[in-house]
Amino acid sequence: SQQGEEDPQALSIQEGENATMNCSYKTSINNLQWYRQNSGRGLVHLILIRSNEREKHSGRLRVTLDTSKKSSSLLITASRAADTASYFCATANAGGTSYGKLTFGQGTILTVHP
Amino acid sequence: DAGVTQSPTHLIKTRGQHVTLRCSPISGHKSVSWYQQVLGQGPQFIFQYYEKEERGRGNFPDRFSARQFPNYSSELNVNALLLGDSALYLCASSPDPGAKNIQYFGAGTRLSVL
Repeated sequence: SQQGEEDPQALSIQEGENATMNCSYKTSINNLQWYRQNSGRGLVHLILIRSNEREKHSGRLRVTLDTSKKSSSLLITASRAADTASYFCATANAGGTSYGKLTFGQGTILTVHP
Repeated sequence: DAGVTQSPTHLIKTRGQHVTLRCSPISGHKSVSWYQQVLGQGPQFIFQYYEKEERGRGNFPDRFSARQFPNYSSELNVNALLLGDSALYLCASSPDPGAKNIQYFGAGTRLSVL
């Protein structure tokens, strides 16, 4: 079963605009990761934020984490047509036997128009 | 350095048949995980293996099995294929099974069951 939900399910913007995607989850986590997937192929890791971190930056990416609300957001600034892809959040649970397991949301489809 | 490699890229089978998918992890990575991604959904965890032992199993029937070899490569086997097994099967590797790790994904094997 999916860990939580991503919002919006689809997002369409113009090049140069910012894109914000949100993710909610249900259980206590060790970390939350964001991945990108182009055209139904493999997942590319974008950024990992640990449960004791609140914000992290990587290039044009900014991720926030609010463990009290069990939510995260991914901001892509100055978007490019090449950013067109599906974006997934995935959580690694704290404790438990399958501690290497990632639980994914359903993803946000981002389309950036040139 | 080579990333995670999966074979074959595409596979077409008929109901009731058996299929074997293969994965080679990044050099130095000892943990391999398998995920199933149905069209339009996020990936779902199937198995995690570390040092040839199963470390975690998702909510999949016994028709799904896997193993890991001494060189840390892995096979996913699915018996008695059903139409609903049609999906993208993703393999991911990490240095060890810990939740703190980034998982690096291969390009996947797309299985179509007719």
